[in-house]
Amino acid sequence: NAGVTQTPKFQVLKTGQSMTLQCAQDMNHNSMYWYRQDPGMGLRLIYYSASEGTTDKGEVPNGYNVSRLNKREFSLRLESAAPSQTSVYFCAIQRDGGGYTFGSGTRLTVV
Amino acid sequence: AQSVTQLDSQVPVFEEAPVELRCNYSSSVSVYLFWYVQYPNQGLQLLLKYLSGSTLVESINGFEAEFNKSQTSFHLRKPSVHISDTAEYFCAVSAMGRRALTFGSGTRLQVQP
Repeated sequence: NAGVTQTPKFQVLKTGQSMTLQCAQDMNHNSMYWYRQDPGMGLRLIYYSASEGTTDKGEVPNGYNVSRLNKREFSLRLESAAPSQTSVYFCAIQRDGGGYTFGSGTRLTVV
Repeated sequence: AQSVTQLDSQVPVFEEAPVELRCNYSSSVSVYLFWYVQYPNQGLQLLLKYLSGSTLVESINGFEAEFNKSQTSFHLRKPSVHISDTAEYFCAVSAMGRRALTFGSGTRLQVQP
């Protein structure tokens, strides 16, 4: 998915470990989003950022923090990972016309 | 707040047969509607969208969806499916004036030869 880059693609953590998921865009859009995808539940919004320096909680923010230090980057941090945070995480930017461009995802397993 | 219901978790269909994937939404305000497709081990790609105007919208690969305000639906259809259409399809809605999308739980389309 050109324009939105997520790292890493895969990660295995032990319970209690911390990590940061990185997302960077080269499309110069203001709004960026973090979703998690779980089987049978679709995508659920964790946090979003309407512009540089602003962030807001989504539907499932507990256990996560975010940082939007500049227009290009929006990171998601797990301070103390739990097995319930095993999921696929997607970053997205919002284009003119409302649709999203998604990154390719980070598959996270917490053991 | 808005919500999206995709009534079928899986839809098996034979190649060249027609298909309909159902999507209903709930919102107290006017909405924008989207369909996204996710191929295995990939991110989601926008398939088509309804923002305003004609209630029938089409994608470049033969899918179409019709916005029905009275039935609060945005069903996705294709008259003849291919093996390559096998994927998971997500319906999404955003309320006008609110930017974040709310997604349905997804429908897995399985096209069989």
